[in-house]
Formats: sequence, C-alpha cells, structure tokens
Amino acid sequence: QQPVQSPQAVILREGEDAVINCSSSKALYSVHWYRQKHGEAPVFLMILLKGGEQKGHDKISASFNEKKQQSSLYLTASQLSYSGTYFCGTALSGGYNKLIFGAGTRLAVHP
Amino acid sequence: DSGVTQTPKHLITATGQRVTLRCSPRSGDLSVYWYQQSLDQGLQFLIHYYNGEERAKGNILERFSAQQFPDLHSELNLSSLELGDSALYFCASSVETKQRGTDTQYFGPGTRLTVL
Repeated sequence: QQPVQSPQAVILREGEDAVINCSSSKALYSVHWYRQKHGEAPVFLMILLKGGEQKGHDKISASFNEKKQQSSLYLTASQLSYSGTYFCGTALSGGYNKLIFGAGTRLAVHP
Repeated sequence: DSGVTQTPKHLITATGQRVTLRCSPRSGDLSVYWYQQSLDQGLQFLIHYYNGEERAKGNILERFSAQQFPDLHSELNLSSLELGDSALYFCASSVETKQRGTDTQYFGPGTRLTVL
C-alpha cells in the first residue's frame, strides 16, 4: 500500500534539474508532496488531485498521471535550499485525508 | 512556522515507562493526525482525529492511544515503552473540507522520543 518513490537519492550541482517519481498500486484520489530537512518538520509543497493536473510553485512543479497512478515532482534549476528529503503522500479514494507516505527521496544540491 | 505546536520537544525515558505527547492544531483546524518517523525512515501514519472523533487508524500499536479534546488539542499516549519506540513523533493538522483527500496537512515541529 505504501507508494514507491524513485530514485532513493539524487546528487545535483546548483542549476541542474531532477525528477522524483511516486507510484502507487492503488487508485489514488490525491498526491501530496512535502520536503523535509534533517531534524525538521515536513513542509508542504503542493497537492495534485486526480484528473491529471499539473501544478507549479516557483521552479518546482508536479504532475499526476491518473491512468498510471503515478506522480512526478520536477525540480528545475536547483538551488542549495532544495536539499532535503522529498516525500510523496497518497490519499486513496474513500480514505478521508489519511496519507500514506513513500520512503522518501534524498536530494543533495552542491555548489 | 506552521502554526502547529507540539510539546515537549525532547523526551528521554526508560523502557517500560509511559509518556504523553501533546499537540495543538492550527487555529480553525478540526483534524489532527499523528505520525511516527524512526531514524532515517519515512512517515508512518498512526491515527487521525476529527473534531474529537477517531476517523482513521494506521499501524498504531495497542500500547499507543490517542484522543482529541473539546478544545481540539490532542494527546498521544505511549505506554510500556520499548527501545524500538524511539523516534520522532509528528502531529499535523488540517481544516478538513468536504472534499476528502484534498486537505493540506501542516506539520508541527515534532517530539523526539528517546527510550533508554
């Protein structure tokens, strides 16, 4: 039931791009993306609803492919502040707001 | 700052003991969620309360219990503690709109529990 995130870890130089994927074997109602820095609380990035929408926030955007039950997070022109662990949380249809989180993708951005 | 508060920030205790973690949601939020995050692990959903009522349960051990009070703050009680219970415990809150699965959950700073 836990969504699968890939890759497990990414190392980037400043200015490079990355894609993080989140796949589920269950029918999803929504996908929530969070970033967590070590020892801190997860910080909300965006929600994707079923319907295949794409959202963006600054240079971070995401898409949701309902047919594949897969969401992708796109980080373009990465900045040092993007470093952290990215989690996707999935809400199943009829599951209220219960989120099941993936294991996370560690992103390190170096100068 | 998400507006969600958790106390205490750190808790060190011994095996077999019982502790209570406290969470105050953001003003206006009716839902509280509890998560456990073990070292370098993902977030494990424990339980969800909405306006005082239990809404959903995850992989919460029988030794753990929670409640949400009329003022909407929530407490997570952990008893007969074991070494493996050492973790970061987060609570999150959301408004909970009618459209389920669309609410943003805002996380508190967490309580780091160490069981010796």
